[in-house]
Amino acid sequence: EDQVTQSPEALRLQEGESSSLNCSYTVSGLRGLFWYRQDPGKGPEFLFTLYSAGEEKEKERLKATLTKKESFLHITAPKPEDSATYLCAVQSLKAAGNKLTFGGGTRVLVKP
Amino acid sequence: GAVVSQHPSWVICKSGTSVKIECRSLDFQATTMFWYRQFPKQSLMLMATSNEGSKATYEQGVEKDKFLINHASLTLSTLTVTSAHPEDSSFYICSARAPGGADTQYFGPGTRLTVL
Repeated sequence: EDQVTQSPEALRLQEGESSSLNCSYTVSGLRGLFWYRQDPGKGPEFLFTLYSAGEEKEKERLKATLTKKESFLHITAPKPEDSATYLCAVQSLKAAGNKLTFGGGTRVLVKP
Repeated sequence: GAVVSQHPSWVICKSGTSVKIECRSLDFQATTMFWYRQFPKQSLMLMATSNEGSKATYEQGVEKDKFLINHASLTLSTLTVTSAHPEDSSFYICSARAPGGADTQYFGPGTRLTVL
């Protein structure tokens, strides 16, 4: 069974204080790993898709990396508007109907 | 691109009534849409996979007679919560799989259902 574990559960940062979020996964053949951002009361917003170990993607202050067992989401010099819950999800090659398996998320609060 | 809308954004209903939630892909055709449920401070729980022109596939433990899903066109899927009860109160979110090799799911803004 596919499993995704995110850590930490919550993260409080000062504005400008860079940090990393972890997403550990076990999957029967990885088709893709996805990062989403979710604001309270809203649906998840797509950030990145990673397909193979060693791959990296960047968007503004966010950078996602992937190894065979985990993914990191690095937040560089965060701003208060980066406060959100960040969700990681995996899709396995054997996933029926292209299902995603989500982790529990990391709630990030950036204080000015 | 890849915009998904949901309607309504929130709904309050009395126990025993049925509620319909619409999910639309606005700028692409989606052969597959997904319905999720999310409780406060928890992650998304997949309820069912909706395929255009065929019956939905429900996850284990989800009552298909209570949560009716219809995917009548390539841009519209509906979720009907039948005979709603307070325990059905939750945040319901749909997603649509964009065409192409990425298999990326794009999510709607969600619908907050409160059953009194």
